[in-house]
Amino acid sequence: SYVLTQPPSVSVAPGQTARITCGGNNIGSKSVHWYQQKPGQAPVLVVYDDSDRPSGIPERFSGSNSGNTATLTISRVEAGDEADYYCQVWDSSSDHIFGTGTKVTVL
Amino acid sequence: QVQLQESGPGLVKPSQTLSLTCTVSGGSISSGSYYWSWIRQPAGKGLEWIGRIYTSGSTNYNPSLKSRVTISVDTSKNQFSLKLSSVTAADTAVYYCARDLWEYSSSYFDYWGQGTLVTVSS
Repeated sequence: SYVLTQPPSVSVAPGQTARITCGGNNIGSKSVHWYQQKPGQAPVLVVYDDSDRPSGIPERFSGSNSGNTATLTISRVEAGDEADYYCQVWDSSSDHIFGTGTKVTVL
Repeated sequence: QVQLQESGPGLVKPSQTLSLTCTVSGGSISSGSYYWSWIRQPAGKGLEWIGRIYTSGSTNYNPSLKSRVTISVDTSKNQFSLKLSSVTAADTAVYYCARDLWEYSSSYFDYWGQGTLVTVSS
C-alpha cells in the first residue's frame, strides 16, 4: 500500500518559515492535501490540491508538490500555528492515505 | 455552512459492535459530488481513514478494516452511520465524520465533525 512519510517534528522561531515535507513514491503525480490539528480539536483543511487554500486560510500557508516530495510552507510563523500537520492523498488503489504527521513547535 | 455531528455510545465492550451516527446540517447530504467518510485517531497517534459512502449507497473501505466495517446512509434523516464489529482495545479512538469532496483524481475532507471518543473496555 502507498505510504506517506513526514518528519515527526519541526521547530521554528516566530516570524520565520516552517517547511513540512511529505514523502511518497512519485507523489508529484498525485494531489496532496494538508490538515492542521490543534490539541483537542478536529483537523482543519489548510491546503488542497497541492497548493490551493480554502476560504479563510491565511496566505502564509502554501504548498508545493514535485517528484517524491510534497511540502507545506508556513511563512511568518505565529504562535497560533503550533499544531500537528498531516498530509493526505487519495489513490484509486489505496483510497485515502494520511501521512504520519508532523508536530510544529513555535520556539 | 455545513456542520457534522457525531453521536453514539462512548463505551463499548470488547467483541461487541461499535455504532456511530453522523448528522449533517446546513446542507443536504444528497447534494453535490460528495462522499461521506469516517476517520479515527487513537490517543497520541495519527489519522486513519475507515471508509466512505456516496448517497447512492456505494461504499469504499480501508482494506485493513473492511471485514469489520459497514457504513450506511439515511438521506431522509441527513445522516450516515458507522458499524465496526468485533471491537478490541485497539479500536479505542476519537472517531470523526467528514465530508469527502471528490473531484476527478483528487479527494479530500473539507468539513469535519468535532469527533467523539469511543473507548473499548469491559
